[in-house]
This record gives sequence, C-alpha cells and structure tokens, in this order.
Amino acid sequence: GAVVSQHPSRVICKSGTSVKIECRSLDFQATTMFWYRQFPKQSLMLMATSNEGSKATYEQGVEKDKFLINHASLTLSTLTVTSAHPEDSSFYICSATRDPNSPLHFGNGTRLTVT
Amino acid sequence: RKEVEQDPGPFNVPEGATVAFNCTYSNSASQSFFWYRQDCRKEPKLLMSVYSSGNEDGRFTAQLNRASQYISLLIRDSKLSDSATYLCVVALSSNTGKLIFGQGTTLQVKP
Repeated sequence: GAVVSQHPSRVICKSGTSVKIECRSLDFQATTMFWYRQFPKQSLMLMATSNEGSKATYEQGVEKDKFLINHASLTLSTLTVTSAHPEDSSFYICSATRDPNSPLHFGNGTRLTVT
Repeated sequence: RKEVEQDPGPFNVPEGATVAFNCTYSNSASQSFFWYRQDCRKEPKLLMSVYSSGNEDGRFTAQLNRASQYISLLIRDSKLSDSATYLCVVALSSNTGKLIFGQGTTLQVKP
C-alpha cells in the first residue's frame, strides 16, 4: 500500500485563490520531504526541500512567497500555492524518505488546474 | 544544457522486442543513479537503482558509465505492460531525496 499520501489528488480553482496540498508519510517519520512540479511532457522539477521544524529550502527560480511550505510535524508537509494563476496549473508531487539511504517514496500527486 | 538528458521518443516496439534507453548527465559529481517508471498522469515509481558494476532485475538491466557520464536501461522480452515513460534520475549526493529528473523516454509496446 501507499506509504506517502497526498491530498487532494485533483483540484480546480479560480485565479487568485490559494490552494493547499498535503503530503503525509503514513508509516514512518520523515524529517525531510520534497516537493516537485511537472508540466505536461516535461520532467519533474524539484521546487523545494521541506525540513521539519525549520524553513524550507527553495530551488532557484521558485518563489518562496508564492509557494508556502510548512512542515510542522514529522509526518506532514503542506504546500500552499498562493494567489494561483493559470500558469501555476501543473502536477505537483511530494516525496519522502525515512533517511537519506532509504528509497524515496512519492505521493500520488495533485493535479492543479487554475481557471 | 540540461542536467539530465534523455531521448523523449516515443519508442514503438512489438511485444517480445529488446529495447534500450540511454541517458546522459552533466554533473560529474553525481553520486546516485536511478531509473523510474511513470505511467500517464501518475506519480513516478522506482524501477531500479543503477550501480557502477551494472545490475539486473529480471528483464531489466541497468548500466552506468561514469567516465562518459552515461546511464542505460535495457528491457528484454518487452511486455504490453511495459508501456510507460521511463525517467532517468540522478542524485548529486547520498541524500537520495534531492533528485534531478530527465524528461523521460516514452515506450509503447504493441501487440
């Protein structure tokens, strides 16, 4: 069964609204989770590294004020797309691992459509 | 230049065929290498890690050439269920979470 749960799997929202995506590790504690974005026919791109109890580390070109990440517990990280615009429409996927030497588990992804 | 480059394909092959995918990476400091499989509109799933000595898992064989910064995946006796996009993935450190994904190579296995 799934070891990383992501919710919602699909969301459609209007331009200007904010959307929160949750990523949960189900049977292990994840001090670090990762958020990726994938546009159609393109590769997954790492957006940020979510660290439990501290600020997220964002990749170059990713606006931290636009994509708010909160990792308040060892099993939950949230990504909030603030004031979403149509160009934010994408497939967002989280991942988590027990430790750096263990396999990475991906959530099932969230397909965001901003109209 | 992309950090991880793959031929996007699609590769259209008949059932039972042998097909090979190649991937190159630009950062010589890369530490870990993987092949992931991604089905349409789904999350990627780990197919296999790639080791320096090469490794095999059933019908799948992965090779790594550090000198040429080149990774390959060979699929023997292709099945219809092998149809998917295969992602070449590189990690710059032992922290396997921070991964660099290739664009993916699409495989279509035809009956």
